[in-house]
Amino acid sequence: GENVEQHPSTLSVQEGDSAVIKCTYSDSASNYFPWYKQELGKGPQLIIDIRSNVGEKKDQRIAVTLNKTAKHFSLHITETQPEDSAVYFCAASISNFGNEKLTFGTGTRLTIIP
Amino acid sequence: GAGVSQSPSNKVTEKGKDVELRCDPISGHTALYWYRQSLGQGLEFLIYFQGNSAPDKSGLPSDRFSAERTGGSVSTLTIQRTQQEDSAVYLCASTRTGKETQYFGPGTRLLVL
Repeated sequence: GENVEQHPSTLSVQEGDSAVIKCTYSDSASNYFPWYKQELGKGPQLIIDIRSNVGEKKDQRIAVTLNKTAKHFSLHITETQPEDSAVYFCAASISNFGNEKLTFGTGTRLTIIP
Repeated sequence: GAGVSQSPSNKVTEKGKDVELRCDPISGHTALYWYRQSLGQGLEFLIYFQGNSAPDKSGLPSDRFSAERTGGSVSTLTIQRTQQEDSAVYLCASTRTGKETQYFGPGTRLLVL
Protein backbone atom coordinates (compact mmCIF):
# COMPACT_ATOMS: atom_id res chain seq x y z
CA GLY A 1 0.00 0.00 0.00
CA GLU A 2 0.86 3.67 -0.10
CA ASN A 3 3.37 5.09 2.39
CA VAL A 4 3.77 8.83 2.95
CA GLU A 5 6.72 10.30 4.81
CA GLN A 6 6.71 13.90 6.02
CA HIS A 7 9.55 16.15 7.20
CA PRO A 8 10.26 17.96 9.39
CA SER A 9 8.14 16.91 12.35
CA THR A 10 8.52 20.35 13.92
CA LEU A 11 9.37 23.69 12.35
CA SER A 12 9.80 27.12 13.88
CA VAL A 13 10.13 30.22 11.72
CA GLN A 14 10.18 33.94 12.37
CA GLU A 15 7.04 35.81 11.46
CA GLY A 16 7.35 37.02 7.89
CA ASP A 17 9.76 34.28 6.82
CA SER A 18 8.87 31.32 4.62
CA ALA A 19 8.14 27.75 5.72
CA VAL A 20 8.61 24.61 3.64
CA ILE A 21 7.28 21.15 4.47
CA LYS A 22 8.22 18.14 2.37
CA CYS A 23 6.56 14.80 1.74
CA THR A 24 7.44 11.71 -0.25
CA TYR A 25 5.11 8.94 -1.38
CA SER A 26 5.74 5.40 -2.49
CA ASP A 27 2.91 4.46 -4.88
CA SER A 28 3.48 5.85 -8.37
CA ALA A 29 -0.24 5.40 -9.08
CA SER A 30 -1.15 8.10 -6.54
CA ASN A 31 -2.51 11.14 -8.35
CA TYR A 32 -4.12 13.36 -5.72
CA PHE A 33 -2.16 15.20 -3.03
CA PRO A 34 -4.02 17.38 -0.51
CA TRP A 35 -2.59 19.37 2.38
CA TYR A 36 -4.52 19.81 5.59
CA LYS A 37 -4.12 22.24 8.48
CA GLN A 38 -5.19 21.13 11.93
CA GLU A 39 -5.59 23.58 14.78
CA LEU A 40 -5.73 22.47 18.38
CA GLY A 41 -8.95 20.66 19.20
CA LYS A 42 -10.28 20.82 15.66
CA GLY A 43 -10.51 18.50 12.69
CA PRO A 44 -8.16 18.90 9.72
CA GLN A 45 -9.08 21.52 7.15
CA LEU A 46 -8.04 21.37 3.50
CA ILE A 47 -5.81 24.30 2.57
CA ILE A 48 -4.62 23.31 -0.90
CA ASP A 49 -4.44 20.27 -3.14
CA ILE A 50 -2.72 19.27 -6.34
CA ARG A 51 -3.29 16.60 -8.95
CA SER A 52 -0.59 14.71 -10.77
CA ASN A 53 -1.16 16.48 -14.07
CA VAL A 54 0.00 19.76 -12.49
CA GLY A 55 3.49 20.63 -11.26
CA GLU A 56 2.66 23.64 -9.10
CA LYS A 57 -0.36 25.37 -7.65
CA LYS A 58 -0.63 28.65 -5.74
CA ASP A 59 -3.27 30.21 -3.56
CA GLN A 60 -2.22 33.56 -2.11
CA ARG A 61 0.60 32.83 0.38
CA ILE A 62 0.39 29.08 -0.05
CA ALA A 63 1.88 27.00 -2.85
CA VAL A 64 2.37 23.30 -3.47
CA THR A 65 4.87 21.73 -5.85
CA LEU A 66 4.88 18.17 -7.14
CA ASN A 67 7.71 16.14 -8.63
CA LYS A 68 6.18 12.93 -9.98
CA THR A 69 9.49 11.48 -11.05
CA ALA A 70 10.98 11.78 -7.59
CA LYS A 71 7.61 11.11 -5.93
CA HIS A 72 7.73 14.06 -3.63
CA PHE A 73 5.65 17.14 -3.05
CA SER A 74 6.12 20.21 -0.89
CA LEU A 75 4.08 22.91 0.82
CA HIS A 76 5.42 26.45 0.77
CA ILE A 77 4.02 29.18 3.00
CA THR A 78 5.37 32.69 2.41
CA GLU A 79 5.13 35.77 4.63
CA THR A 80 4.16 33.63 7.59
CA GLN A 81 1.78 35.01 10.20
CA PRO A 82 1.01 33.90 13.77
CA GLU A 83 -2.27 32.35 12.62
CA ASP A 84 -0.28 29.94 10.44
CA SER A 85 0.82 28.15 13.62
CA ALA A 86 -0.79 24.69 13.48
CA VAL A 87 -0.08 21.07 12.54
CA TYR A 88 0.09 20.45 8.81
CA PHE A 89 -0.52 17.07 7.18
CA CYS A 90 0.20 15.96 3.66
CA ALA A 91 -1.70 13.08 2.12
CA ALA A 92 -1.80 11.01 -1.05
CA SER A 93 -4.41 8.90 -2.77
CA ILE A 94 -5.38 7.29 -6.04
CA SER A 95 -8.21 9.63 -6.89
CA ASN A 96 -11.30 8.00 -8.28
CA PHE A 97 -13.47 11.08 -7.76
CA GLY A 98 -15.32 10.02 -4.70
CA ASN A 99 -13.22 7.10 -3.61
CA GLU A 100 -10.24 8.78 -1.99
CA LYS A 101 -8.77 6.64 0.74
CA LEU A 102 -6.19 9.13 1.91
CA THR A 103 -2.83 8.04 3.28
CA PHE A 104 -1.49 10.75 5.57
CA GLY A 105 1.97 11.80 6.63
CA THR A 106 2.73 12.04 10.33
CA GLY A 107 2.37 15.81 10.46
CA THR A 108 4.52 18.91 10.94
CA ARG A 109 3.98 21.20 13.90
CA LEU A 110 4.64 24.71 12.59
CA THR A 111 5.29 27.48 15.09
CA ILE A 112 5.50 31.09 13.96
CA ILE A 113 7.66 33.19 16.25
CA PRO A 114 6.41 36.78 16.56
CA GLY B 1 -23.78 25.87 6.20
CA ALA B 2 -23.47 23.13 8.78
CA GLY B 3 -20.32 21.09 8.69
CA VAL B 4 -19.63 17.52 9.72
CA SER B 5 -20.63 16.96 13.32
CA GLN B 6 -19.48 14.21 15.67
CA SER B 7 -20.64 13.10 19.07
CA PRO B 8 -19.65 12.79 21.76
CA SER B 9 -16.74 15.21 21.61
CA ASN B 10 -15.03 13.33 24.43
CA LYS B 11 -15.53 9.83 25.77
CA VAL B 12 -13.85 8.17 28.72
CA THR B 13 -14.51 4.48 29.17
CA GLU B 14 -13.15 1.51 31.03
CA LYS B 15 -11.22 -1.25 29.37
CA GLY B 16 -13.54 -3.97 28.14
CA LYS B 17 -16.57 -1.73 27.62
CA ASP B 18 -18.20 -1.07 24.25
CA VAL B 19 -18.41 2.45 22.80
CA GLU B 20 -20.38 4.02 19.97
CA LEU B 21 -19.20 7.10 18.13
CA ARG B 22 -21.54 9.06 15.89
CA CYS B 23 -20.95 11.06 12.73
CA ASP B 24 -23.41 13.35 10.95
CA PRO B 25 -22.02 14.19 7.50
CA ILE B 26 -22.74 17.35 5.56
CA SER B 27 -26.22 17.14 4.07
CA GLY B 28 -26.14 15.67 0.58
CA HIS B 29 -22.65 14.23 0.87
CA THR B 30 -22.69 10.67 -0.35
CA ALA B 31 -19.26 9.48 0.77
CA LEU B 32 -18.26 9.11 4.42
CA TYR B 33 -14.89 8.15 5.90
CA TRP B 34 -13.66 7.25 9.37
CA TYR B 35 -10.04 7.87 10.39
CA ARG B 36 -8.15 7.37 13.64
CA GLN B 37 -5.52 9.80 14.90
CA SER B 38 -3.27 8.53 17.65
CA LEU B 39 -1.20 10.98 19.72
CA GLY B 40 1.48 12.55 17.59
CA GLN B 41 0.58 10.48 14.56
CA GLY B 42 -1.04 11.07 11.25
CA LEU B 43 -4.52 9.98 10.38
CA GLU B 44 -5.10 6.29 9.78
CA PHE B 45 -7.90 5.23 7.44
CA LEU B 46 -10.48 2.90 9.01
CA ILE B 47 -13.55 2.53 6.78
CA TYR B 48 -15.29 4.20 3.84
CA PHE B 49 -18.95 4.32 2.74
CA GLN B 50 -20.09 5.41 -0.72
CA GLY B 51 -23.81 5.54 -1.39
CA ASN B 52 -25.39 2.09 -1.35
CA SER B 53 -22.17 0.27 -2.21
CA ALA B 54 -20.57 -2.20 0.17
CA PRO B 55 -18.25 -0.32 2.54
CA ASP B 56 -14.47 -0.51 2.23
CA LYS B 57 -13.47 -1.97 5.60
CA SER B 58 -9.83 -2.54 4.73
CA GLY B 59 -8.51 -0.19 7.41
CA LEU B 60 -10.33 -1.63 10.43
CA PRO B 61 -7.60 -2.82 12.83
CA SER B 62 -9.52 -5.75 14.31
CA ASP B 63 -12.92 -7.42 14.39
CA ARG B 64 -13.71 -5.41 17.52
CA PHE B 65 -14.26 -2.44 15.21
CA SER B 66 -17.38 -2.09 13.07
CA ALA B 67 -19.33 0.71 11.47
CA GLU B 68 -22.66 1.22 9.84
CA ARG B 69 -24.34 3.98 7.92
CA THR B 70 -28.09 4.21 8.10
CA GLY B 71 -30.16 5.75 5.34
CA GLY B 72 -27.07 6.99 3.54
CA SER B 73 -26.51 9.66 6.17
CA VAL B 74 -25.56 9.19 9.83
CA SER B 75 -22.79 6.73 10.63
CA THR B 76 -21.89 4.96 13.86
CA LEU B 77 -18.47 3.51 14.62
CA THR B 78 -18.62 0.82 17.30
CA ILE B 79 -15.64 -0.46 19.24
CA GLN B 80 -16.32 -3.58 21.29
CA ARG B 81 -14.33 -4.67 24.33
CA THR B 82 -12.20 -1.53 24.22
CA GLN B 83 -8.48 -1.73 24.89
CA GLN B 84 -6.12 1.01 26.07
CA GLU B 85 -4.50 1.12 22.64
CA ASP B 86 -7.85 2.20 21.21
CA SER B 87 -7.35 5.59 22.89
CA ALA B 88 -7.18 8.13 20.06
CA VAL B 89 -9.13 10.81 18.26
CA TYR B 90 -11.65 9.34 15.84
CA LEU B 91 -12.35 11.60 12.90
CA CYS B 92 -15.13 11.46 10.37
CA ALA B 93 -15.10 13.10 6.94
CA SER B 94 -17.57 13.40 4.09
CA THR B 95 -17.41 14.32 0.41
CA ARG B 96 -19.83 15.31 -2.30
CA THR B 97 -20.47 12.91 -5.15
CA GLY B 98 -17.65 13.07 -7.67
CA LYS B 99 -15.57 15.45 -5.59
CA GLU B 100 -12.26 14.81 -3.86
CA THR B 101 -12.27 17.28 -0.98
CA GLN B 102 -12.89 15.60 2.35
CA TYR B 103 -14.52 17.77 5.01
CA PHE B 104 -13.62 16.66 8.51
CA GLY B 105 -15.58 16.85 11.71
CA PRO B 106 -13.99 17.94 15.02
CA GLY B 107 -13.45 14.35 16.13
CA THR B 108 -14.27 12.28 19.19
CA ARG B 109 -11.49 11.98 21.74
CA LEU B 110 -11.63 8.49 23.20
CA LEU B 111 -9.75 7.58 26.35
CA VAL B 112 -9.78 3.99 27.53
CA LEU B 113 -8.70 3.59 31.13
